[in-house]
Amino acid sequence: DQQVKQNSPSLSVQEGRISILNCDYTNSMFDYFLWYKKYPAEGPTFLISISSIKDKNEDGRFTVFLNKSAKHLSLHIVPSQPGDSAVYFCAASDRREYGNKLVFGAGTILRVKS
Amino acid sequence: KAGVTQTPRYLIKTRGQQVTLSCSPISGHRSVSWYQQTPGQGLQFLFEYFSETQRNKGNFPGRFSGRQFSNSRSEMNVSTLELGDSALYLCASSLAGIRAREQYFGPGTRLTVT
Repeated sequence: DQQVKQNSPSLSVQEGRISILNCDYTNSMFDYFLWYKKYPAEGPTFLISISSIKDKNEDGRFTVFLNKSAKHLSLHIVPSQPGDSAVYFCAASDRREYGNKLVFGAGTILRVKS
Repeated sequence: KAGVTQTPRYLIKTRGQQVTLSCSPISGHRSVSWYQQTPGQGLQFLFEYFSETQRNKGNFPGRFSGRQFSNSRSEMNVSTLELGDSALYLCASSLAGIRAREQYFGPGTRLTVT
């Protein structure tokens, strides 16, 4: 069962515009969410996270929004740059799990066109 | 500060053999997690070690095992390799405490089983 879903396999955005990547989850026990970026032949790079007690977290060009009632989170990148072209993974952590297990979505390929 | 390192980066093994992969976490990180990434299943959690103890385990057969040493370095072992074990194996480390779930990944070991 897919507890974390990224329903858009790919997204194409013009340089300078906003990129919005979406993620839905089904497990109401998730209490911490993260976004990772992955380039080919590299491991995922941590971007930004949010606790379930918040609804927004900002770090430079990256903002994550959490809508707990809809079990939905999104990552906004403003402005988008060609170097942002990568695969973006949404991940979540279950408060009942001991330790640091993360459940990942399937990823969304972002292409930023110059 | 040096990132997570994994050795070897690439490995080709034959069905039935066993393999050991190595991971050195970021200095000061005591938690090490392992993930398997395949095109069909995405990123899946294998297990996590903290202070030489396995804290959590994913849904993988007993052929997959791991350990952690006193310097926090970790190894994972896969015995009796199957074709389906071909994947990118990623190691991630994290600090203890409030930001423990922010995991930092290494570049991965690409295992091909023939």
